[in-house]
Amino acid sequence: SQQGEEDPQALSIQEGENATMNCSYKTSINNLQWYRQNSGRGLVHLILIRSNEREKHSGRLRVTLDTSKKSSSLLITASRAADTASYFCATPIIQGAQKLVFGQGTRLTINP
Amino acid sequence: GAGVSQSPRYKVAKRGQDVALRCDPISGHVSLFWYQQALGQGPEFLTYFQNEAQLDKSGLPSDRFFAERPEGSVSTLKIQRTQQEDSAVYLCASSLVRTASNQPQHFGDGTRLSIL
Repeated sequence: SQQGEEDPQALSIQEGENATMNCSYKTSINNLQWYRQNSGRGLVHLILIRSNEREKHSGRLRVTLDTSKKSSSLLITASRAADTASYFCATPIIQGAQKLVFGQGTRLTINP
Repeated sequence: GAGVSQSPRYKVAKRGQDVALRCDPISGHVSLFWYQQALGQGPEFLTYFQNEAQLDKSGLPSDRFFAERPEGSVSTLKIQRTQQEDSAVYLCASSLVRTASNQPQHFGDGTRLSIL
């Protein structure tokens, strides 16, 4: 079963525009992670935000976390064609296992 | 340094055959994970190793799935008597420390398994 759900499932924008993806989760977390997956490739870690943080930046990426609403958002500013990929949020299960639980992902297409 | 390496990249097998998928984690990484990713879905956890110890195998779909990491480095995921529903991409990930839930995971490019 998957804990996180991304919204929208697919997003298509023009190069240079900003892209926003949302993630909702169900259980309490100590951190939330965002990953990118290019077609036919593995996942690449983008950013980790801890439960006591509300916002985090990395280059053109901005992540927010609202633990009261159990939601997070990923903003990519000034999008580029190379940003075309699927984006997943993932939350670790705190108790016992170290596994990540992924959402279904947002497929982002940047049109040149 | 080298990332996580998985082989083969593609595997086609007939229903009923056994398959073995290999993962070479980043050198020195303590934690190793296997995930299964169906088309258009996010990865789903299969099993977790800390060094050579398999600490969690709760995600393995059936007793046809078996994973090992005998020397705490290379891992093999074996699927016996494959079924069509086993068709998926199998991803391996590793993490440097034992408390992997607080660290990013480094993924290989996966093995795409097709069962005919």
